[in-house]
Amino acid sequence: AQTVTQSQPEMSVQEAETVTLSCTYDTSESDYYLFWYKQPPSRQMILVIRQEAYKQQNATENRFSVNFQKAAKSFSLKISDSQLGDAAMYFCAYTEEYGNKLVFGAGTILRVKS
Amino acid sequence: NAGVTQTPKFRILKIGQSMTLQCTQDMNHNYMYWYRQDPGMGLKLIYYSVGAGITDKGEVPNGYNVSRSTTEDFPLRLELAAPSQTSVYFCASSYLTGYGGHSNQPQHFGDGTRLSIL
Repeated sequence: AQTVTQSQPEMSVQEAETVTLSCTYDTSESDYYLFWYKQPPSRQMILVIRQEAYKQQNATENRFSVNFQKAAKSFSLKISDSQLGDAAMYFCAYTEEYGNKLVFGAGTILRVKS
Repeated sequence: NAGVTQTPKFRILKIGQSMTLQCTQDMNHNYMYWYRQDPGMGLKLIYYSVGAGITDKGEVPNGYNVSRSTTEDFPLRLELAAPSQTSVYFCASSYLTGYGGHSNQPQHFGDGTRLSIL
């Protein structure tokens, strides 16, 4: 079965500091897409960042960046200059080819301390 | 645009009752999905559709049914509610050109339906 593993159930970071959330996945496909979604207490699912597996360059969106290691099947999320509004559950996911279906990890709760 | 709209937002059912969770999107997306999220867990795919008239099972389809008669609507039916179906249900949609593949186009999610079965 294809899976996504987020090994950190919870993480804490001080406001303005940097934190990295880990994600590994297992797929037999060579072409796929990877995503990080944020879920605040409001329950919304908000796209944070995306990465195409065929691109070697790591994606960046403002304070959010990824470290994509295709051979190791690793896709970590780095949040710089952490803000109180970053506190949420973060999910790593990739797409299965047919139907663009998402396979999610179990999530990491991020707490931001002021 | 409203995006993906789910109704109701909350519902309590008794064991054995039936109900339909509604989902509609106004973005002309061809792909639609139903996921469930159990407490402290990630989302798991129940059913999905790559176009009107086409539906397929996901990872956890047992106890559910879907239909896709229009591009906009993708209702999820629970026929005989069981306590194991207590969860938060998310509908999502995305747009892909072509048929059946995948892309970097993200899925857009509704706000979810919290369903409790007692």
